Amino acid sequence: DAKTTQPPSMDCAEGRAANLPCNHSTISGNEYVYWYRQIHSQGPQYIIHGLKNNETNEMASLIITEDRKSSTLILPHATLRDTAVYYCIVRVDTGFQKLVFGTGTRLLVSP
Amino acid sequence: GAVVSQHPSWVICKSGTSVKIECRSLDFQATTMFWYRQFPKQSLMLMATSNEGSKATYEQGVEKDKFLINHASLTLSTLTVTSAHPEDSSFYICSARDPGPLRTDTQYFGPGTRLTVL
Repeated sequence: DAKTTQPPSMDCAEGRAANLPCNHSTISGNEYVYWYRQIHSQGPQYIIHGLKNNETNEMASLIITEDRKSSTLILPHATLRDTAVYYCIVRVDTGFQKLVFGTGTRLLVSP
Repeated sequence: GAVVSQHPSWVICKSGTSVKIECRSLDFQATTMFWYRQFPKQSLMLMATSNEGSKATYEQGVEKDKFLINHASLTLSTLTVTSAHPEDSSFYICSARDPGPLRTDTQYFGPGTRLTVL
């Protein structure tokens, strides 16, 4: 499975957009990009996923570059409850479809 | 939709005893479930993949005789930590794969079980 690289930490002011980058330069054509977040002492929460097109749902937007080597998760109006560790994962679409978690980005949203 | 539950949410046991953790998919059928372990300040590490009606597939370095996994139905997988020792104290998290209407097989996670072995 392709590896991902994320900054270890980011800060964001409440009400502003949070843009979390992820590099996945070795991604293959059949690998999806998934984003999860984990609030302290809870199980990871699914946010969004995509293959090559940009995606948007009620939680966030996912922007994938045309060459698919990187992506950005956008939280349009961050709140204090968005403080969490955000994981970007690439997942192959065959076999068990395992998720391999990296170290993620710790996002701190401040008042 | 796509809710996964775990029971218990926390458990304290004595060294040498066995502990069973249940993982249920509440509103979908999951042919595949996964078990993870997370130590403090670390990321999630996949322990095993559980397939309904067949033996689990364990990741390298995970003792299959110590961490027994049973996936007896499409909505229930159990993890039994046998002869638990203090080093087994950790946060255990399960996930279940939901095919979904578009069959993208997204994994949804349970809330986790905090195991403390005294």
